[in-house]
Amino acid sequence: SYVLTQPPSVSVAPGKTARITCGGNNIESKSVHWYQQRPGQAPVLVIYFDSDRPSGIPARFSGSNSGNTATLTISRVEAGDEADYYCQVWDSNSDHYVFGTGTKVTVL
Amino acid sequence: EVQLVESGGGLVQPGGSLRLSCAVSGFTFSSYWMSWVRQAPGKGLEWVANIKQDGTEKYYVDSVKGRFTISRDNAKNSLFLQMNSLRAEDTAVYYCARASSGGSRNPLDFWGQGTLVTVSS
Repeated sequence: SYVLTQPPSVSVAPGKTARITCGGNNIESKSVHWYQQRPGQAPVLVIYFDSDRPSGIPARFSGSNSGNTATLTISRVEAGDEADYYCQVWDSNSDHYVFGTGTKVTVL
Repeated sequence: EVQLVESGGGLVQPGGSLRLSCAVSGFTFSSYWMSWVRQAPGKGLEWVANIKQDGTEKYYVDSVKGRFTISRDNAKNSLFLQMNSLRAEDTAVYYCARASSGGSRNPLDFWGQGTLVTVSS
């Protein structure tokens, strides 16, 4: 089955830029979605179809997808961005959604 | 306002059964694929199953095939997950979620708050 690999953790100072990677075989051929999950809360969609933002999501959140890596970028990081982030794709071979392993973003 | 509210979780013994429900409001339920996603304590997200708008197509993660059944009642704006032969590894918070724009492989744009299922003797 298709596997998505994320770094377990990313630390970033307030005001700086956080980049969270999501690795998968030829992931650029798939549409990647990203979710933010704050402690004790349900996931929230922050980026869909690689780089689109749902309404209400700040422009500080952006996404890209190339080769074997998709990236979620959070610019001008704020304390409220501290959360777990998950990438997701649809695997057409298995007709399954697949989630990445998740990355905990810590704001220093 | 879109709302998804799960219910039915609780403590169940290994081998037991449980039926989860998800009541939705704020959108035309019958127009959307719906999914169940779970999260074991301290672990990541795992997609469990999804169902087409009219219930004619259903897909499951391999670990629950033959044990779990997803269904829906469009007249009652409700999604269900019947869980049989439960195992300790099924212990998790179970979320229902909507696939955007009606597509089966689209992102999950709205989620409920989840219901906790604990499988233990």
